[in-house]
Amino acid sequence: GENVEQHPSTLSVQEGDSAVIKCTYSDSASNYFPWYKQELGKRPQLIIDIRSNVGEKKDQRIAVTLNKTAKHFSLHITETQPEDSAVYFCAPLGDSGYSTLTFGKGTMLLVSP
Amino acid sequence: DTGVSQDPRHKITKRGQNVTFRCDPISEHNRLYWYRQTLGQGPEFLTYFQNEAQLEKSRLLSDRFSAERPKGSFSTLEIQRTEQGDSAMYLCASSFPRNGELFFGEGSRLTVL
Repeated sequence: GENVEQHPSTLSVQEGDSAVIKCTYSDSASNYFPWYKQELGKRPQLIIDIRSNVGEKKDQRIAVTLNKTAKHFSLHITETQPEDSAVYFCAPLGDSGYSTLTFGKGTMLLVSP
Repeated sequence: DTGVSQDPRHKITKRGQNVTFRCDPISEHNRLYWYRQTLGQGPEFLTYFQNEAQLEKSRLLSDRFSAERPKGSFSTLEIQRTEQGDSAMYLCASSFPRNGELFFGEGSRLTVL
């Protein structure tokens, strides 16, 4: 199955700073790379995703970049706000093993006002 | 349709008892997934259905766990002879095939005493 690692496990920033979370994966056949946000006590929700034929995707203050050669993709959040505080999970979809998402252990982002 | 719904939201049981959780997916979605999430971890895949067919089961799913989706609509997850290690949040999600995005329910929290 897919091995997924996220770094860092926790990230504290000041409001307005940028935050970057990196996800490495093992399955070179992975072809779909989403990021989910889970606020405290809430359900995980998709915030952005990218497919393997694209290197970068942006949606307002968030972006995802993909390096298929190195088998990692990253979540970038600019101009962070307190409401960005949550746990973020990467969940690459491999082409072997299970045909469903394998979630990382998560990165807790804390944005201080 | 208000999204994926799960019932009950909380269940406290004694070790050795059986419990059953229900999930009602978004009506147009033909894929349904069960995940388990413990504190500080990402969701772990348990099993998934396409329509009424159970297509994959995780190696994590012991023979005490069984899931059904009899008419391709709602699903149930039953845990027999519960153990303290079964204490977790059980998340259900649904999706369209080939889309990738999972829509999660609020989860069913199980506490085994």
